[in-house]
Amino acid sequence: QKEVEQDPGPLSVPEGAIVSLNCTYSNSAFQYFMWYRQYSRKGPELLMYTYSSGNKEDGRFTAQVDKSSKYISLFIRDSQPSDSATYLCATVNEKLTFGTGTRLTIIP
Amino acid sequence: GAVVSQHPSWVICKSGTSVKIECRSLDFQATTMFWYRQFPKQSLMLMATSNEGSKATYEQGVEKDKFLINHASLTLSTLTVTSAHPEDSSFYICSARDVQGHEKLFFGSGTQLSVL
Repeated sequence: QKEVEQDPGPLSVPEGAIVSLNCTYSNSAFQYFMWYRQYSRKGPELLMYTYSSGNKEDGRFTAQVDKSSKYISLFIRDSQPSDSATYLCATVNEKLTFGTGTRLTIIP
Repeated sequence: GAVVSQHPSWVICKSGTSVKIECRSLDFQATTMFWYRQFPKQSLMLMATSNEGSKATYEQGVEKDKFLINHASLTLSTLTVTSAHPEDSSFYICSARDVQGHEKLFFGSGTQLSVL
């Protein structure tokens, strides 16, 4: 079993829709959770960083962590074509472990 | 956020030559830097962990004699792909963690290596 599981997609939604991206993890020792956005042929960009269970909001982005079910989510409201990218979830124990990434396309 | 500069952004080389990639933390000191490679449509694969002033720790299956890592200062780590072959063609990305021990990692913009 992979330490972090993420649906690779691809996922296509119309502009303005709410996007839900999800990951599950297996190691209850993971404490920090991150979402990165990666455009094609670019390095990942840190979007959200959370430590505990609950929600964290930053503009149109909301990160949600449920440690009891080992489930993390990223919601994007009012999605824009510029949000089209690959989104990677990541957790930290001794090192950073990434999910496989979900390719998201926002259709104008 | 913190800035990590990676250079070059792309390189084309002949088979058998060596290529050096630089990773610099511009506005913070990084005791630890990480090197990843990424194949098209796949996630990042950790190659090695580079600690300032000590030998790098390589992940299983990564040849340390082929991928030489040097972390000579708190702001610079280099990855040298020695005797490159076409199968080494990939997207290489570095990341850095600052000395304050924050768990956030900041990534360079990546280097696309093409070996002919």
